[in-house]
Amino acid sequence: GDSVTQMEGPVTLSEEAFLTINCTYTATGYPSLFWYVQYPGEGLQLLLKATKADDKGSNKGFEATYRKETTSFHLEKGSVQVSDSAVYFCALTKINNDMRFGAGTRLTVKP
Amino acid sequence: DTGVSQNPRHKITKRGQNVTFRCDPISEHNRLYWYRQTLGQGPEFLTYFQNEAQLEKSRLLSDRFSAERPKGSFSTLEIQRTEQGDSAMYLCASSSYRGNMETQYFGPGTRLLVL
Repeated sequence: GDSVTQMEGPVTLSEEAFLTINCTYTATGYPSLFWYVQYPGEGLQLLLKATKADDKGSNKGFEATYRKETTSFHLEKGSVQVSDSAVYFCALTKINNDMRFGAGTRLTVKP
Repeated sequence: DTGVSQNPRHKITKRGQNVTFRCDPISEHNRLYWYRQTLGQGPEFLTYFQNEAQLEKSRLLSDRFSAERPKGSFSTLEIQRTEQGDSAMYLCASSSYRGNMETQYFGPGTRLLVL
């Protein structure tokens, strides 16, 4: 079945470092891809999305490009802040299907 | 747009008791989803509604679990005869499904602890 694989964490970076969190997917057809962020004690917040190949989703300095040839949707940010510390989830969905999530990657940014 | 809300935010219960959670979706969203999230894992799909109709249920949803969405607005998730393995965060999400695109917006979750 459809699935998402994320790089294992935790990831610890210093403030202003470059961030990459890898995400690859397995799916038939043409899924939409998402990144959600979860801060401690809170629910998931949509960070960005892409609905077709070569689309780039971006928000709050984060970016991810839908790469069909490599079945990937890696999350990047050029300069992380302490406030970016959270758990990041990659997810996919298709029409009339439930959303499939990766296991999450915990990011800690130190000042 | 006040977002998806869930109540209660936390629930502690004893094994064998019944619990009920409520989700209020974003107004006019026609789809409502329930997920379960255990520590260190991503959310796992339980069930979803389109308007008042329950369209899909995961095999994770044992017969002790029941969900309703009367009138296609808020939804309730009930767990009967709770077990310690039911301890998890229960997340609700809603979306406005139109054609081939939907984005799910999540509530803050209800954290259940079964003692």
